[in-house]
Amino acid sequence: DAGITQSPRHKVTETGTPVTLRCHQTENHRYMYWYRQDPGHGLRLIHYSYGVKDTDKGEVSDGYSVSRSKTEDFLLTLESATSSQTSVYFCAISVGRTDTQHFGDGTRLSIL
Amino acid sequence: GESVGLHLPTLSVQEGDNSIINCAYSNSASDYFIWYKQESGKGPQFIIDIRSNMDKRQGQRVTVLLNKTVKHLSLQIAATQPGDSAVYFCAENRYGGSQGNLIFGKGTKLSVKP
Repeated sequence: DAGITQSPRHKVTETGTPVTLRCHQTENHRYMYWYRQDPGHGLRLIHYSYGVKDTDKGEVSDGYSVSRSKTEDFLLTLESATSSQTSVYFCAISVGRTDTQHFGDGTRLSIL
Repeated sequence: GESVGLHLPTLSVQEGDNSIINCAYSNSASDYFIWYKQESGKGPQFIIDIRSNMDKRQGQRVTVLLNKTVKHLSLQIAATQPGDSAVYFCAENRYGGSQGNLIFGKGTKLSVKP
């Protein structure tokens, strides 16, 4: 157990509404990541953070923003959700110098 | 474009047999590879990793083989059990750096028949 909690675990919302997903870690790791997982695409990196207030874009960052105001929390925001953002979202953390990433159990987000 | 992929999308094996799941990668600069297992409704779970300075690494019932010549990675599971049924992903660290920007394959679904 890597001490990662994602919330909410499930959410259904409407197109155009803002949505924020939270990732909380208890082990003070520096690196945190947000991925989305879709059939036929596997896991794709949205944004990642390498420290408090230090973030960078991943492969599929359009339409998403992130914030990290403290080490333990990494927030993913969809400013105006679209149906194409219906997906399962996973948070991950990096443990140690080997860069192994450990994942939370995901948030299933449906945009209607 | 460059990507990490898998040769087989599904694999069905008999309980007790050995399983081999394959993965191809295209970036010769990648120096770190990981296998993950993902059960339904859960996040990917780390199984085993290997660095490019190694050809083989063994864990408990699992072995990862790396062939850099043909850019091929495989995961061998010995004496496959029903609890091994899951989707297995390989991932590569394409940048070889400390940021850990992993690139994932699409996954192979392993089904174990009792």
